Amino acid sequence: QKEVEQDPGPLSVPEGAIVSLNCTYSNSAFQYFMWYRQYSRKGPELLMYTYSSGNKEDGRFTAQVDKSSKYISLFIRDSQPSDSATYLCAIESGSRLTFGEGTQLTVNP
Amino acid sequence: NAGVMQNPRHLVRRRGQEARLRCSPMKGHSHVYWYRQLPEEGLKFMVYLQKENIIDESGMPKERFSAEFPKEGPSILRIQQVVRGDSAAYFCASSPPWQGWLYGYTFGSGTRLTVV
Repeated sequence: QKEVEQDPGPLSVPEGAIVSLNCTYSNSAFQYFMWYRQYSRKGPELLMYTYSSGNKEDGRFTAQVDKSSKYISLFIRDSQPSDSATYLCAIESGSRLTFGEGTQLTVNP
Repeated sequence: NAGVMQNPRHLVRRRGQEARLRCSPMKGHSHVYWYRQLPEEGLKFMVYLQKENIIDESGMPKERFSAEFPKEGPSILRIQQVVRGDSAAYFCASSPPWQGWLYGYTFGSGTRLTVV
């Protein structure tokens, strides 16, 4: 079983839609959870990180963690064409991050 | 303040040659991480280094791959006798010592290695 599993997509939505991106993880010891955005031919950039269960909001982005079901989500409100990218969930495991495979998102004008 | 600098951006090597990938961390960062992204796969951890020390190399292939982060100069990821399966994007990330991995770290734009 993979440590982190992510819906691979691809996902295509119209501009203004609410986007939901999801990951599950296997090890209940994981405590820190992150979302990265990666544009084509670029390195990943950190969007959000969370520690505890619950929601964390930053502008149009909301990260949600449910430790009881080992499920993490990223919601994007009012999606824009500039949000088109690959979104990677990542989980801390010691001194490293374990990444999901990424979900490719396209927001159509 | 320049970000994490990786060079070259693109590297083409013939099978059997050596590839040397360089990474200069952000100013003030003393921790460097290397990740590999194979086509259609996520990022996979390779190695974590501090100046003159390899802290965790559990993600490195056992043969042909090595990494260093000398006291002066960039971190180097070295792949000897490259094979087609080494073709991938190699990303370096850095973090300051007081944050480590906790808040995520800053990635470079990667080196895309193509083995022909």
